[in-house]
Amino acid sequence: DIQMTQSPSSLSASVRDRVTITCRASQRISSYLSWYQQKPGKAPKLLIYAVSSLQSGVPSRFSGSGSGTDFTLTISSLQPEDFATYYCQQSYSTPYTFGQGTKLEIK
Amino acid sequence: QVQLQESGPGLVKPSETLSLTCTVSGGSINNYHWSWIRQPPGKGLEWIGYIYYSGSTNYNPSLKSRVTISLDTSKNQFSLKLSSVTAADTAVYYCARLRAVTGSTDYFDSWGPGTLVTASS
Repeated sequence: DIQMTQSPSSLSASVRDRVTITCRASQRISSYLSWYQQKPGKAPKLLIYAVSSLQSGVPSRFSGSGSGTDFTLTISSLQPEDFATYYCQQSYSTPYTFGQGTKLEIK
Repeated sequence: QVQLQESGPGLVKPSETLSLTCTVSGGSINNYHWSWIRQPPGKGLEWIGYIYYSGSTNYNPSLKSRVTISLDTSKNQFSLKLSSVTAADTAVYYCARLRAVTGSTDYFDSWGPGTLVTASS
């Protein structure tokens, strides 16, 4: 299985901050990488697929980049509704695997 | 906008079979892959498997011996059966639509709200 490791595991930030979350794959996964946002008690929500393609309806302050094994999710200016847990997911090969999550908290 | 809804017992006894159904509304089950994903309380996400509308399946090897995913196109539903459950199978179970395009990223673009299943006597 391909292991996905996110860093940091948790992060404190303020509204209007720029935040970057990193995801590293245990082997090269080309551009087969997606990002999800999950709020407490809710299902995950797709933010970005294919490394940098923004899902319809997702604000443009979210962006993704990277290739090979290293990927990033950036939120350019944090809004109150962005405080949540974020997961990366690889689809280079099955079983699909997710990172352990990064919890973004209000400072 | 497609919507998904999980249903089934919230409590399953150890050694018994967990059975859940996902009802798809607002769109057809045809031409897509449909998946199950679970999340133990306070933990991360684990992909269980998927079924294509044609009936072909792909399961996580870690669960493959215990998992069956099936489809009922006439009801726009798909189902999960997980046999011989233990406390380790206690989790929120999500059904999701998988967008799978040859040569491109596969991703889960629509999710049900999830249902908590507890394995306990």
